[in-house]
Amino acid sequence: DIVMTQAPLSVSVTPGESASISCRSSKSLLHSNGITYVYWYLQKPGKSPQLLIYRMSNLASGVPDRFSGSGSETDFTLKISRVEAEDVGIYYCGQLLENPRTFGGGTKLELK
Amino acid sequence: EVQLVESGGGLVQPGRSLKLSCAASGFTFSNYYMAWVRQAPTKGLEWVASITNSGGSTYYRDSVKGRFTISRDNAKSTLYLQMDSLRSEDTATYYCTSLGAWWGQGVMVTVSS
Repeated sequence: DIVMTQAPLSVSVTPGESASISCRSSKSLLHSNGITYVYWYLQKPGKSPQLLIYRMSNLASGVPDRFSGSGSETDFTLKISRVEAEDVGIYYCGQLLENPRTFGGGTKLELK
Repeated sequence: EVQLVESGGGLVQPGRSLKLSCAASGFTFSNYYMAWVRQAPTKGLEWVASITNSGGSTYYRDSVKGRFTISRDNAKSTLYLQMDSLRSEDTATYYCTSLGAWWGQGVMVTVSS
């Protein structure tokens, strides 16, 4: 199984500042078709997960462009610039390259 | 507007069965690969099972193989999860999802005597 490892476990950010979350996969998520199958989700308190970034760097519909995704074949970063109160929650990376689909353990973002 | 509405959850004794349903609307259900993802209380996300758009292929995590069955009825735009021989460790909120932009609100399953 592909193991997804996120860091840090939690991050505390002053509103208006930026935050970065790291995710590392135990295997390359780059498919032969050139697509890297890493996804980022945000689960706000008491809510279902919502998609932020798909295929490593594509912004999902309706997601503010303060969010961006980048990375290589095994190391990925979600960056949130100008953090707002509505960004609070738990962020998960996930791989959709192969079964079993796996997720990182989550990174909790809080405001200072 | 896309909607995924799960139902069928509840409290069940260990060893018993439960069937979850997920009614989809707002998109062409038969075009999409679908999945169930669960989340135990205070824990992270855990993929349970997936099914191809035609229903011809299914995939399961090892801990539910032989006990859970994912299926779909494209005519009814509905996804199912039949859960047999339930264990306490299956206690979780179960989400119906495309694993992309679409997620249901979740349905709670509690396995306890």
